[in-house]
Amino acid sequence: GAVVSQHPSRVICKSGTSVKIECRSLDFQATTMFWYRQFPKQSLMLMATSNEGSKATYEQGVEKDKFLINHASLTLSTLTVTSAHPEDSSFYICSATPGQGGVYYGYTFGSGTRLTVV
Amino acid sequence: GENVGLHLPTLSVQEGDNSIINCAYSNSASDYFIWYKQESGKGPQFIIDIRSNMDKRQGQRVTVLLNKTVKHLSLQIAATQPGDSAVYFCAENTGGFKTIFGAGTRLFVKA
Repeated sequence: GAVVSQHPSRVICKSGTSVKIECRSLDFQATTMFWYRQFPKQSLMLMATSNEGSKATYEQGVEKDKFLINHASLTLSTLTVTSAHPEDSSFYICSATPGQGGVYYGYTFGSGTRLTVV
Repeated sequence: GENVGLHLPTLSVQEGDNSIINCAYSNSASDYFIWYKQESGKGPQFIIDIRSNMDKRQGQRVTVLLNKTVKHLSLQIAATQPGDSAVYFCAENTGGFKTIFGAGTRLFVKA
């Protein structure tokens, strides 16, 4: 159980275009989802917390107009990288938890999306 | 801000030996500490977690030790296998769902 599907696994886009990445919880309802980015040989950096039916909470330094997050249902959150530039090239990873109310339930991670902006 | 860091960036062990991966954390308010394994090009995979009121927890071939006095966390892997080769991250959760990752240690298992 607790499977998180992320799509696409790889995407190449032209500079200035937008790219949408999907994160789905397949066998549980994810009240909260998280988006991370990871540069080569570095750790995962939390970008934002996505709560179903409400606005995402962004970490300091993350541009909310650049990285649009939508969590319209309990099984789907999307991250849209708008007007992508080469420096946005990275590995984007989502995670999901059924927990709510500040209680730790454990997290399941997606398989990641390798974004390359050319 | 608060962060979780690691003592060793790389670790090379012989197949069959035990591995110990260390981590230092700075947020004494964290409730849970988690170890993840990440293989190349994949998302992190949960290994084991430990609550802040415990000092040891064992899983299958893995043991996590927590020393709150010195804010230190370790992951012990028994009888390390080639399939254990990966990057290992410690992470901490401080309620409100945020999970903050440490820098990672790459484990190489020599056959």
